[in-house]
Amino acid sequence: GESVGLHLPTLSVQEGDNSIINCAYSNSASDYFIWYKQESGKGPQFIIDIRSNMDKRQGQRVTVLLNKTVKHLSLQIAATQPGDSAVYFCAENDTGRRALTFGSGTRLQVQP
Amino acid sequence: SAVISQKPSRDICQRGTSLTIQCQVDSQVTMMFWYRQQPGQSLTLIATANQGSEATYESGFVIDKFPISRPNLTFSTLTVSNMSPEDSSIYLCSVARGGGGALETQYFGPGTRLLVL
Repeated sequence: GESVGLHLPTLSVQEGDNSIINCAYSNSASDYFIWYKQESGKGPQFIIDIRSNMDKRQGQRVTVLLNKTVKHLSLQIAATQPGDSAVYFCAENDTGRRALTFGSGTRLQVQP
Repeated sequence: SAVISQKPSRDICQRGTSLTIQCQVDSQVTMMFWYRQQPGQSLTLIATANQGSEATYESGFVIDKFPISRPNLTFSTLTVSNMSPEDSSIYLCSVARGGGGALETQYFGPGTRLLVL
């Protein structure tokens, strides 16, 4: 595969543990946030989103937390599995902009 | 979501040549975008492809280098012109289904992996 995530910070966890991936954003006007998962050789895949009027949203095995005070977003993955190994990107948008701005990404490695 | 396909999936090109990348969506979408992902990096927006009018380019990207077409609501092309090794990247098509408002999910195609020698 190509070098997606080659130079990105890496989080290494044991299979079955919970994972927490963090993201800081700078635009205080951002009002919509998305987490994407990118596996080697593929495009980013939507995981979960959250609007700025919420501070927590849960999906299947994933939870996104938003702290607007400190401009921080996190993705929690419960019972991490080897198939969760990928690069994870946060993305943000604000009312004045139609396209997403992406964070720098974190590579998640799940050890069996 | 939307099913998005891109052609070619990968290519190796000689410097000075041009490559046109196609993006096809399985249903009509309002917004289509083109992103670049350089090796080991995050995604950077190149431009918004506008149906029936010229694309809207981000700072640092120009039409002469990255001409874009969008003839209808399901199809767009991005051309990488006069390529150099610095253009080696993954090029990604993205779509938003609805009115293009800020609070809207974008979905991505599989990407086109370009290597320029």
